[in-house]
Amino acid sequence: AQKITQTQPGMFVQEKEAVTLDCTYDTSDQSYGLFWYKQPSSGEMIFLIYQGSYDEQNATEGRYSLNFQKARKSANLVISASQLGDSAMYFCAMREEFGGSARQLTFGSGTQLTVLP
Amino acid sequence: GAGVSQSPSNKVTEKGKDVELRCDPISGHTALYWYRQSLGQGLEFLIYFQGNSAPDKSGLPSDRFSAERTGGSVSTLTIQRTQQEDSAVYLCASSLAVGGYETQYFGPGTRLLVL
Repeated sequence: AQKITQTQPGMFVQEKEAVTLDCTYDTSDQSYGLFWYKQPSSGEMIFLIYQGSYDEQNATEGRYSLNFQKARKSANLVISASQLGDSAMYFCAMREEFGGSARQLTFGSGTQLTVLP
Repeated sequence: GAGVSQSPSNKVTEKGKDVELRCDPISGHTALYWYRQSLGQGLEFLIYFQGNSAPDKSGLPSDRFSAERTGGSVSTLTIQRTQQEDSAVYLCASSLAVGGYETQYFGPGTRLLVL
Protein backbone atom coordinates (compact mmCIF):
# COMPACT_ATOMS: atom_id res chain seq x y z
CA ALA A 1 0.00 0.00 0.00
CA GLN A 2 1.08 3.53 -0.68
CA LYS A 3 1.11 6.29 1.89
CA ILE A 4 1.83 10.00 1.65
CA THR A 5 2.66 12.11 4.70
CA GLN A 6 2.54 15.90 4.79
CA THR A 7 3.52 17.02 8.28
CA GLN A 8 2.87 20.74 7.87
CA PRO A 9 -0.84 21.54 8.20
CA GLY A 10 -0.12 25.24 7.65
CA MET A 11 2.78 27.35 6.43
CA PHE A 12 3.37 31.08 6.14
CA VAL A 13 5.82 32.77 3.79
CA GLN A 14 6.60 36.36 3.00
CA GLU A 15 5.89 37.51 -0.53
CA LYS A 16 8.92 37.09 -2.84
CA GLU A 17 10.54 34.57 -0.49
CA ALA A 18 11.02 30.88 -1.26
CA VAL A 19 9.16 28.18 0.64
CA THR A 20 9.51 24.40 0.93
CA LEU A 21 6.52 22.15 1.48
CA ASP A 22 7.41 18.75 2.88
CA CYS A 23 6.24 15.40 1.57
CA THR A 24 7.38 11.91 2.50
CA TYR A 25 6.05 8.71 1.04
CA ASP A 26 6.03 5.01 1.61
CA THR A 27 5.63 2.38 -1.06
CA SER A 28 6.84 -1.07 -1.97
CA ASP A 29 6.56 -0.30 -5.68
CA GLN A 30 9.76 -0.01 -7.68
CA SER A 31 8.25 2.33 -10.22
CA TYR A 32 6.06 5.19 -9.12
CA GLY A 33 5.21 8.79 -9.85
CA LEU A 34 5.00 11.71 -7.48
CA PHE A 35 2.75 14.70 -8.08
CA TRP A 36 1.99 18.03 -6.51
CA TYR A 37 -1.39 19.71 -6.88
CA LYS A 38 -2.57 23.14 -5.79
CA GLN A 39 -6.12 23.70 -4.58
CA PRO A 40 -7.13 27.35 -4.19
CA SER A 41 -10.23 28.35 -2.30
CA SER A 42 -12.27 27.89 -5.48
CA GLY A 43 -11.78 24.15 -5.02
CA GLU A 44 -10.27 23.05 -8.33
CA MET A 45 -7.19 20.83 -8.17
CA ILE A 46 -4.44 22.26 -10.34
CA PHE A 47 -1.55 20.06 -11.44
CA LEU A 48 1.83 21.63 -10.70
CA ILE A 49 4.65 19.18 -11.18
CA TYR A 50 5.54 15.50 -11.66
CA GLN A 51 8.56 13.39 -10.74
CA GLY A 52 9.10 9.82 -11.85
CA SER A 53 10.91 7.47 -9.51
CA TYR A 54 13.53 6.71 -12.16
CA ASP A 55 14.15 10.34 -13.06
CA GLU A 56 17.66 11.26 -12.04
CA GLN A 57 17.11 14.99 -12.22
CA ASN A 58 14.73 16.95 -10.04
CA ALA A 59 11.68 18.16 -11.89
CA THR A 60 11.18 21.88 -12.44
CA GLU A 61 8.24 23.85 -13.79
CA GLY A 62 8.68 27.60 -13.72
CA ARG A 63 8.78 28.70 -10.09
CA TYR A 64 8.10 25.16 -8.88
CA SER A 65 10.75 22.55 -8.31
CA LEU A 66 10.59 19.15 -6.70
CA ASN A 67 13.41 18.19 -4.36
CA PHE A 68 13.39 14.41 -4.85
CA GLN A 69 15.46 12.36 -2.42
CA LYS A 70 14.70 8.75 -3.22
CA ALA A 71 16.72 7.18 -0.41
CA ARG A 72 14.88 9.33 2.12
CA LYS A 73 11.56 8.82 0.33
CA SER A 74 10.89 12.52 0.23
CA ALA A 75 9.52 14.72 -2.53
CA ASN A 76 9.43 18.26 -1.23
CA LEU A 77 7.95 21.08 -3.30
CA VAL A 78 9.93 24.29 -3.50
CA ILE A 79 8.18 27.46 -4.59
CA SER A 80 10.52 30.29 -5.41
CA ALA A 81 9.62 33.99 -5.33
CA SER A 82 6.25 33.45 -3.65
CA GLN A 83 3.29 35.44 -4.87
CA LEU A 84 0.03 36.30 -3.14
CA GLY A 85 -1.75 34.06 -5.64
CA ASP A 86 0.21 31.08 -4.33
CA SER A 87 -1.93 31.06 -1.19
CA ALA A 88 -3.75 27.75 -1.40
CA MET A 89 -3.83 24.16 -0.15
CA TYR A 90 -1.07 22.01 -1.62
CA PHE A 91 -1.35 18.25 -1.96
CA CYS A 92 1.37 15.73 -2.57
CA ALA A 93 0.24 12.55 -4.31
CA MET A 94 1.69 9.37 -5.71
CA ARG A 95 0.75 6.59 -8.04
CA GLU A 96 2.12 3.29 -9.23
CA GLU A 97 3.57 3.57 -12.72
CA PHE A 98 4.27 1.52 -15.82
CA GLY A 99 1.70 -1.14 -16.11
CA GLY A 100 0.56 -1.38 -12.54
CA SER A 101 -3.08 -2.11 -12.02
CA ALA A 102 -3.60 0.67 -9.49
CA ARG A 103 -3.90 3.90 -11.45
CA GLN A 104 -5.48 6.11 -8.86
CA LEU A 105 -3.64 8.78 -6.93
CA THR A 106 -2.98 8.48 -3.22
CA PHE A 107 -3.00 11.90 -1.60
CA GLY A 108 -1.47 13.38 1.50
CA SER A 109 -3.47 15.48 3.94
CA GLY A 110 -2.30 18.74 2.43
CA THR A 111 -0.50 21.90 3.54
CA GLN A 112 -2.29 25.25 3.67
CA LEU A 113 0.14 27.88 2.41
CA THR A 114 -0.46 31.54 3.17
CA VAL A 115 1.65 34.17 1.44
CA LEU A 116 1.94 37.38 3.44
CA PRO A 117 2.26 40.78 1.74
CA GLY B 1 -9.26 23.74 -24.94
CA ALA B 2 -11.99 22.91 -22.47
CA GLY B 3 -11.05 21.30 -19.20
CA VAL B 4 -12.95 18.76 -17.14
CA SER B 5 -16.43 19.98 -16.35
CA GLN B 6 -18.75 18.81 -13.59
CA SER B 7 -22.37 19.45 -12.82
CA PRO B 8 -24.03 20.54 -10.71
CA SER B 9 -21.56 22.78 -8.91
CA ASN B 10 -23.54 22.47 -5.72
CA LYS B 11 -26.22 20.05 -4.65
CA VAL B 12 -28.31 20.10 -1.50
CA THR B 13 -30.48 17.08 -0.88
CA GLU B 14 -32.42 15.44 1.88
CA LYS B 15 -31.30 12.29 3.58
CA GLY B 16 -32.63 9.24 1.76
CA LYS B 17 -32.85 10.85 -1.66
CA ASP B 18 -30.85 9.71 -4.69
CA VAL B 19 -28.43 12.08 -6.43
CA GLU B 20 -26.61 12.00 -9.75
CA LEU B 21 -23.37 13.82 -10.35
CA ARG B 22 -22.05 14.35 -13.85
CA CYS B 23 -18.52 14.57 -15.21
CA ASP B 24 -17.51 15.57 -18.74
CA PRO B 25 -13.82 14.75 -19.25
CA ILE B 26 -11.33 16.44 -21.52
CA SER B 27 -11.99 15.39 -25.10
CA GLY B 28 -9.88 12.41 -26.08
CA HIS B 29 -8.96 11.41 -22.56
CA THR B 30 -9.40 7.68 -22.13
CA ALA B 31 -9.17 7.46 -18.35
CA LEU B 32 -11.67 8.93 -15.91
CA TYR B 33 -11.52 8.97 -12.12
CA TRP B 34 -13.88 9.91 -9.31
CA TYR B 35 -12.55 11.06 -5.95
CA ARG B 36 -14.24 12.32 -2.82
CA GLN B 37 -12.88 15.08 -0.60
CA SER B 38 -14.28 15.41 2.89
CA LEU B 39 -13.04 17.11 6.04
CA GLY B 40 -12.53 13.97 8.01
CA GLN B 41 -11.19 11.66 5.31
CA GLY B 42 -9.20 13.90 2.98
CA LEU B 43 -9.07 12.89 -0.68
CA GLU B 44 -10.26 9.36 -1.38
CA PHE B 45 -10.35 7.41 -4.62
CA LEU B 46 -13.77 6.07 -5.58
CA ILE B 47 -13.74 4.55 -9.06
CA TYR B 48 -11.67 4.47 -12.25
CA PHE B 49 -12.63 3.93 -15.89
CA GLN B 50 -10.11 3.15 -18.63
CA GLY B 51 -11.38 2.85 -22.18
CA ASN B 52 -13.65 -0.15 -22.59
CA SER B 53 -12.17 -2.09 -19.69
CA ALA B 54 -14.19 -3.03 -16.64
CA PRO B 55 -14.04 -0.18 -14.11
CA ASP B 56 -11.98 -0.38 -10.94
CA LYS B 57 -14.64 0.02 -8.23
CA SER B 58 -12.34 -0.76 -5.33
CA GLY B 59 -12.77 2.66 -3.71
CA LEU B 60 -16.56 2.78 -3.59
CA PRO B 61 -17.52 3.00 0.12
CA SER B 62 -20.80 1.10 -0.13
CA ASP B 63 -23.23 -0.44 -2.60
CA ARG B 64 -25.22 2.80 -2.49
CA PHE B 65 -22.54 4.25 -4.78
CA SER B 66 -22.35 3.40 -8.46
CA ALA B 67 -20.98 4.99 -11.59
CA GLU B 68 -21.17 4.52 -15.29
CA ARG B 69 -19.41 5.95 -18.27
CA THR B 70 -21.36 6.10 -21.50
CA GLY B 71 -19.64 6.00 -24.86
CA GLY B 72 -16.25 6.30 -23.25
CA SER B 73 -16.88 9.94 -22.42
CA VAL B 74 -19.36 11.39 -19.93
CA SER B 75 -19.62 9.72 -16.55
CA THR B 76 -22.37 9.77 -13.93
CA LEU B 77 -21.80 9.01 -10.26
CA THR B 78 -25.02 7.97 -8.51
CA ILE B 79 -25.51 7.90 -4.78
CA GLN B 80 -28.67 6.14 -3.65
CA ARG B 81 -30.42 6.74 -0.34
CA THR B 82 -28.00 9.51 0.60
CA GLN B 83 -26.71 9.77 4.16
CA GLN B 84 -25.31 12.80 5.96
CA GLU B 85 -21.83 11.27 5.87
CA ASP B 86 -22.00 11.43 2.06
CA SER B 87 -21.64 15.22 2.30
CA ALA B 88 -18.38 16.05 0.57
CA VAL B 89 -16.87 17.48 -2.57
CA TYR B 90 -16.89 14.96 -5.41
CA LEU B 91 -14.04 15.49 -7.83
CA CYS B 92 -13.69 14.04 -11.28
CA ALA B 93 -10.39 13.75 -13.14
CA SER B 94 -9.40 12.57 -16.58
CA SER B 95 -6.14 11.63 -18.21
CA LEU B 96 -4.64 10.60 -21.49
CA ALA B 97 -2.54 7.60 -20.65
CA VAL B 98 0.70 7.74 -22.60
CA GLY B 99 2.87 4.75 -21.84
CA GLY B 100 3.25 4.58 -18.10
CA TYR B 101 3.01 8.29 -17.46
CA GLU B 102 -0.20 10.21 -17.17
CA THR B 103 -1.27 13.39 -15.46
CA GLN B 104 -4.77 13.57 -14.08
CA TYR B 105 -6.59 16.84 -14.67
CA PHE B 106 -9.37 17.66 -12.27
CA GLY B 107 -12.70 19.34 -12.65
CA PRO B 108 -14.05 21.98 -10.26
CA GLY B 109 -15.99 19.42 -8.23
CA THR B 110 -19.56 19.05 -7.04
CA ARG B 111 -20.24 20.11 -3.47
CA LEU B 112 -22.85 17.78 -2.03
CA LEU B 113 -24.68 18.58 1.19
CA VAL B 114 -27.04 16.01 2.62
CA LEU B 115 -29.44 17.45 5.20
